[in-house]
Amino acid sequence: DAGVTQSPTHLIKTRGQHVTLRCSPISGHKSVSWYQQVLGQGPQFIFQYYEKEERGRGNFPDRFSARQFPNYSSELNVNALLLGDSALYLCASSRPGGYEQFFGPGTRLTVL
Amino acid sequence: GIQVEQSPPDLILQEGANSTLRCNFSDSVNNLQWFHQNPWGQLINLFYIPSGTKQNGRLSATTVATERYSLLYISSSQTTDSGVYFCAVVSMRAGTALIFGKGTTLSVSS
Repeated sequence: DAGVTQSPTHLIKTRGQHVTLRCSPISGHKSVSWYQQVLGQGPQFIFQYYEKEERGRGNFPDRFSARQFPNYSSELNVNALLLGDSALYLCASSRPGGYEQFFGPGTRLTVL
Repeated sequence: GIQVEQSPPDLILQEGANSTLRCNFSDSVNNLQWFHQNPWGQLINLFYIPSGTKQNGRLSATTVATERYSLLYISSSQTTDSGVYFCAVVSMRAGTALIFGKGTTLSVSS
């Protein structure tokens, strides 16, 4: 089975722009979570979606938003980009009723 | 919220040596996972171990949930074991988000 996939792999934006990151979960997984990892730190939780509903939100500003589609794929949107948004964005999926999360390869965002 | 502390922060080994990485957490957990992050950033699942002991080849892990710690053992280390090891937990009290420690950076030289 294919693992979690994310696109794009790398992205360069300038301050003030908007970005959309995409994630496809493992087949059969219905929950998708997003994490931000800045250099030298562990990943930090941004959002979790299950069956297209938001189930959790981390301590991130309203510039960050997400949604989940009927096929369980997900988008993370970030508006009005700041230099501090430069990070590796990781998506994870988990099976219904399961706690174990499986991560995709990430999208590396650079904001200039 | 729940706190996750990993030690040591850095570890330097010669190939063939054994090592133990520790993860302490401040509250009861539903989930505890160990990950290895490779140089490209991919988080590779090593163990899902909210309690008990598991082994996978040269790696093994033990979680003592009542005492709120977990240990990751790496035996006969290889250069390919280098990278950052993360412990992450889901608190019983708060949602389903994985809370990560700051990681242990392991460097294995030949």
